[in-house]
Amino acid sequence: GAVVSQHPSWVICKSGTSVKIECRSLDFQATTMFWYRQFPKQSLMLMATSNEGSKATYEQGVEKDKFLINHASLTLSTLTVTSAHPEDSSFYICSARPLKNTAYEQYFGPGTRLTVT
Amino acid sequence: EDQVTQSPEALRLQEGESSSLNCSYTVSGLRGLFWYRQDPGKGPEFLFTLYSAGEEKEKERLKATLTKKESFLHITAPKPEDSATYLCAVQASGGSNYKLTFGKGTLLTVNP
Repeated sequence: GAVVSQHPSWVICKSGTSVKIECRSLDFQATTMFWYRQFPKQSLMLMATSNEGSKATYEQGVEKDKFLINHASLTLSTLTVTSAHPEDSSFYICSARPLKNTAYEQYFGPGTRLTVT
Repeated sequence: EDQVTQSPEALRLQEGESSSLNCSYTVSGLRGLFWYRQDPGKGPEFLFTLYSAGEEKEKERLKATLTKKESFLHITAPKPEDSATYLCAVQASGGSNYKLTFGKGTLLTVNP
């Protein structure tokens, strides 16, 4: 149980284009999903918290107009990197918190490797 | 500001050689401390949640313990397949903010 998927697993795009990454909780409902990015040999840095049906909360220093987050249902959140540049190349990982009140842990997707050329 | 420090940064063990990983934390009220395992190029895999000092949890060769200032992940008789980066994270209590603050991780290598 507690499986989270991401699509695509890797993507290469040209500078200036936009890329959408999907995050789905496959066997549970999640009111809250999180988006992280991870640089090589670095830990996970939280970018934003996404709640179903409401606007995402972005961490300090994260441009909300560049990283658009939509959480349309209890099982799907999307991250769109707009006008991507090479410095946006990174490993993007989502996580989901189960709906049960007593569960505080988050379950992570397999990640999406984004390369901007 | 919540902070998590993990040590050592890297650890090499021989198969069967037990050891411990450390996670020191400062948080304004602890809701939970979490251990994850991350393999290269993959997302973190959930291992344990600890909620209060004195709590212990076990899973196969892994045992996690918690005090008011730190947590240990004990690895007993490790095997090569235990090689991975182990991440520690804390979640502060209060409100509806469930975000995690991660440490930088410990890269564990177990040689056969």
